[in-house]
Amino acid sequence: EAAVTQSPRNKVAVTGGKVTLSCNQTNNHNNMYWYRQDTGHGLRLIHYSYGAGSTEKGDIPDGYKASRPSQENFSLILELATPSQTSVYFCASGDAGDYAEQFFGPGTRLTVL
Amino acid sequence: QQQVRQSPQSLTVWEGETTILNCSYEDSTFDYFPWYRQFPGKSPALLIAISLVSNKKEDGRFTIFFNKREKKLSLHITDSQPGDSATYFCAASVDSGYNKLTFGKGTVLLVSP
Repeated sequence: EAAVTQSPRNKVAVTGGKVTLSCNQTNNHNNMYWYRQDTGHGLRLIHYSYGAGSTEKGDIPDGYKASRPSQENFSLILELATPSQTSVYFCASGDAGDYAEQFFGPGTRLTVL
Repeated sequence: QQQVRQSPQSLTVWEGETTILNCSYEDSTFDYFPWYRQFPGKSPALLIAISLVSNKKEDGRFTIFFNKREKKLSLHITDSQPGDSATYFCAASVDSGYNKLTFGKGTVLLVSP
């Protein structure tokens, strides 16, 4: 069974502070993704990775950095958090290759005050 | 610019009716179209998908119809059940090992008993 976990599950941060969201997958998938979900916007891709050491910009990367130190772990970093980054963040993993299913983690609810 | 559009934004049907959810896209390079379903408070999960080589894909009560010329898809749910109440996302990707998905904003479906 695919397993993607995220921590923390809930986070309250202050404007200007640094926030790190973590994701771990035990699927041995090459690809990992970070999305944010906002009412009225669906899911939007922030960053993705195709293997350890790689990070690529998605559709809305501004204000976010990503780190993939290992096959299993993918982090999303907000160096200077802003209230506009208040959202639910989902991590996902998927096989390399065409048309691979993405498996989503449970999500992290981030509130920036 | 929104590349994947969904309609309606929300929909209520009676139990037993057929639900039709619509999706359209603009980018001619898209060649894979998965639908993800998200129950309230849960993470998205793959429901059914179709590629450019097919006009129709069935999986139980769920069927995707694909009009390539008009760049339109529809998801039909026959004999809709209260347990189908969820948000349905249409997504699109280009043939690549990265499987970057572009999601629509989703349709919120409520099936009333």
